[in-house]
Amino acid sequence: GDSVTQMEGPVTLSEEAFLTINCTYTATGYPSLFWYVQYPGEGLQLLLKATKADDKGSNKGFEATYRKETTSFHLEKGSVQVSDSAVYFCALRDSSNYKLTFGKGTLLTVNP
Amino acid sequence: GAVVSQHPSWVICKSGTSVKIECRSLDFQATTMFWYRQFPKQSLMLMATSNEGSKATYEQGVEKDKFLINHASLTLSTLTVTSAHPEDSSFYICSASRGATEAFFGQGTRLTVV
Repeated sequence: GDSVTQMEGPVTLSEEAFLTINCTYTATGYPSLFWYVQYPGEGLQLLLKATKADDKGSNKGFEATYRKETTSFHLEKGSVQVSDSAVYFCALRDSSNYKLTFGKGTLLTVNP
Repeated sequence: GAVVSQHPSWVICKSGTSVKIECRSLDFQATTMFWYRQFPKQSLMLMATSNEGSKATYEQGVEKDKFLINHASLTLSTLTVTSAHPEDSSFYICSASRGATEAFFGQGTRLTVV
């Protein structure tokens, strides 16, 4: 079945540091890929997405590129802020039934 | 993006009682709603998928008699935790989608059973 493996945290960075959170997947067919962010005590918010190979999703300075050859969708940001502190989930959506499969999440803490 | 409202945000109930959680899509018609359970510091576990007007499809290992899901309209799905016990304490999150569009998530419900 479908699965998502993402870098285990926690990740602690200083403000303005470069961020990479690795994400790889296994899936049949042609899934869509997502990054969601969850702030403490809240639900999930879509951060960015990519629906086909070589697509790059971007939002709020975050980027991720759908790499079919390496089955990856790594999240990057050039300069993190304290307000980026949250849990980040990589996910894929099955093209046949729209179910989302999530990675385990990565807790990011950005210190001033 | 579209708004999904989940209510209540938190609830405390006594062991043995039932609790109902509502999930509403406020500005779109959701053909499909998903219910997830999240344990502390863990990922989201899909519990069931519900389509408007039909019975929910439960994931393996999820007790359908324990977690009753109703999707009565295109804007409302409910999850009822029946005869709740402390081990049912968790964070429950719903999401709603319309066909192939992205899923939008509610803000979650923290259930504590005492």
